[in-house]
Amino acid sequence: QVQLVESGGGVVQPGGSLRLSCAASGFIFSSFGMNWVRQAPGKGLEWVAFIRYDGSNKYYADSVKGRFTISRDNSKNTLYLQMNSLRAEDTAVYYCAKWQWLGGYYFDYWGQGTLVTVSS
Amino acid sequence: DIVLTQSPGTLSLSPGERATLSCRASQSVSSSYLAWYQQKPGQAPRLLIYGASSRATGIPARFSGSGSGTDFTLTISRLEPEDFAVYYCQQYSTSPRWTFGQGTKVAIK
Repeated sequence: QVQLVESGGGVVQPGGSLRLSCAASGFIFSSFGMNWVRQAPGKGLEWVAFIRYDGSNKYYADSVKGRFTISRDNSKNTLYLQMNSLRAEDTAVYYCAKWQWLGGYYFDYWGQGTLVTVSS
Repeated sequence: DIVLTQSPGTLSLSPGERATLSCRASQSVSSSYLAWYQQKPGQAPRLLIYGASSRATGIPARFSGSGSGTDFTLTISRLEPEDFAVYYCQQYSTSPRWTFGQGTKVAIK
């Protein structure tokens, strides 16, 4: 069965950096685009970034463009999110989500999330 | 950017009742690109509906989606205790980018 397991969250000071990982299993990771989605405490869902199956193209929400970098290692079945110049408003649970295109464009599997807290 | 507005913010209903959730887009959205998710406290979102009306694998038949253009609806025909949760609609637009509605909470009355 499909499993997505995030790690790397924690407490970081404003202006600091953090790298999140998402270990994938149960599907052919190298065949699917992947996303990061975040959810601030008590708030709704916000799409953060998308990377194509082969890493050839990457797309970002305006709120993180220039500060966050999405990447993947298909040999390790792992997705990453490098987060730099962190701000208080980046505090959220970060989910990785598998992209699916059959019958539409949507996220068919999600990880359990990892909490990032930006605070001094 | 396309904005999705969900209504109502909270829907208070009893088990066995019918729930009708609305998602309105600021511009026309392709039905293929409209999805619905369920999220329970402390859990990740779960895909319910894709392509506006197709149920995801394992989703009970009491969940149905409909709509086109700017108006979409998620209907739960008879609420079960496990259906009380927050529901989000999501749309894809070229760039690519995805946006979510602000969510509708289905609460026990």
